[in-house]
Amino acid sequence: GESVGLHLPTLSVQEGDNSIINCAYSNSASDYFIWYKQESGKGPQFIIDIRSNMDKRQGQRVTVLLNKTVKHLSLQIAATQPGDSAVYFCAENVGSTLGRLYFGRGTQLTVWP
Amino acid sequence: DTAVSQTPKYLVTQMGNDKSIKCEQNLGHDTMYWYKQDSKKFLKIMFSYNNKELIINETVPNRFSPKSPDKAHLNLHINSLELGDSAVYFCASRGLAWTGELFFGEGSRLTVL
Repeated sequence: GESVGLHLPTLSVQEGDNSIINCAYSNSASDYFIWYKQESGKGPQFIIDIRSNMDKRQGQRVTVLLNKTVKHLSLQIAATQPGDSAVYFCAENVGSTLGRLYFGRGTQLTVWP
Repeated sequence: DTAVSQTPKYLVTQMGNDKSIKCEQNLGHDTMYWYKQDSKKFLKIMFSYNNKELIINETVPNRFSPKSPDKAHLNLHINSLELGDSAVYFCASRGLAWTGELFFGEGSRLTVL
């Protein structure tokens, strides 16, 4: 999950297991959040977003949970596959301008066959 | 066809030099961005243009100057390069008014020696 340390947090799971990646955000006024996936050598890729008037949103094999009380987001990936191995970032949209994203530090997910 | 393309992909240069990175998107989007990713994978917004107009300018040294000749292009010029400028620079675009989903390019890795 989110870390204040120098190293990228890591999560290792076995293929087929569910993964949960956590993220803490800083601005209680933020009302829009996005999860991105970044594979090695590539740019970040949109996974799923959620607005602050929701506490849960589901996509294909992914679910995002938002807890505004404790300023916490999580991304759940069902039946994790080797192709899910990547760095996952949460991002909060700061201010009224969409696209002004402040990214968390990222979590390296490794899926073992 | 690549949606958001950046050139060059790799750039190695000496301290003090001036260099440019170019970005083009063929998605028809109105808004484009530059993000910087450091060696610890931390992604930080730098600039954003909407239809050739600067709308986001984070606290970035004025050695960095973005230029948008038209809404499909956003270039980044860096003067007097410093060691700390070494990073991967990502261009991104956004098209839908109601979402903060960004489409990122593959990145331009700048190494300053």
